[in-house]
Amino acid sequence: GEDVEQSLFLSVREGDSSVINCTYTDSSSTYLYWYKQEPGAGLQLLTYIFSNMDMKQDQRLTVLLNKKDKHLSLRIADTQTGDSAIYFCAAEGWTGANNLFFGTGTRLTVIP
Amino acid sequence: DVKVTQSSRYLVKRTGEKVFLECVQDMDHENMFWYRQDPGLGLRLIYFSYDVKMKEKGDIPEGYSVSREKKERFSLILESASTNQTSMYLCASSPSSGEDTGELFFGEGSRLTVL
Repeated sequence: GEDVEQSLFLSVREGDSSVINCTYTDSSSTYLYWYKQEPGAGLQLLTYIFSNMDMKQDQRLTVLLNKKDKHLSLRIADTQTGDSAIYFCAAEGWTGANNLFFGTGTRLTVIP
Repeated sequence: DVKVTQSSRYLVKRTGEKVFLECVQDMDHENMFWYRQDPGLGLRLIYFSYDVKMKEKGDIPEGYSVSREKKERFSLILESASTNQTSMYLCASSPSSGEDTGELFFGEGSRLTVL
């Protein structure tokens, strides 16, 4: 299977930008995803990027994709305490949408 | 909105007991998945199903089985629970490949403790 790696923890001050990084191994992944998991809840799709794009912006969220280096990042501008959660990077496996490979998750803590 | 419902949020079982985890989705999705989530390991796929009565092994199927008798329902079965199966179990569903971006819709999770 594909390997998807993320750092486990990130702490930022409220109002600062957060950048969560992810690397993956399968260059054929068509879609790459960021999911958010709030305490006691399941995962919810935050945003995704198609592999032929290198950037996608959605309000406070910016996703950057470097296909050559197989590196994906999620930038959250003006981070709020409500952004505290676990963020999972996921890459589509070779079977397509039938299977996603998830990273370990990055626990973002926003300090007031 | 898509709703994926897992029948039990918290379960405590004893070693050797048979455990059923139920999952129901209301969006007529073809694909359904069972993952387990452990700290530092992320989500690992146990089994998935792309149609009624069809199932495929994921990355860690040992010690688990599944059942999909109806399209909306996907059950995870632990025939003889062991302490190393203490975990958070997440069910997810998605429409067929090619119909959408491949987004998975998750339930809230079932936290299983095996004593």
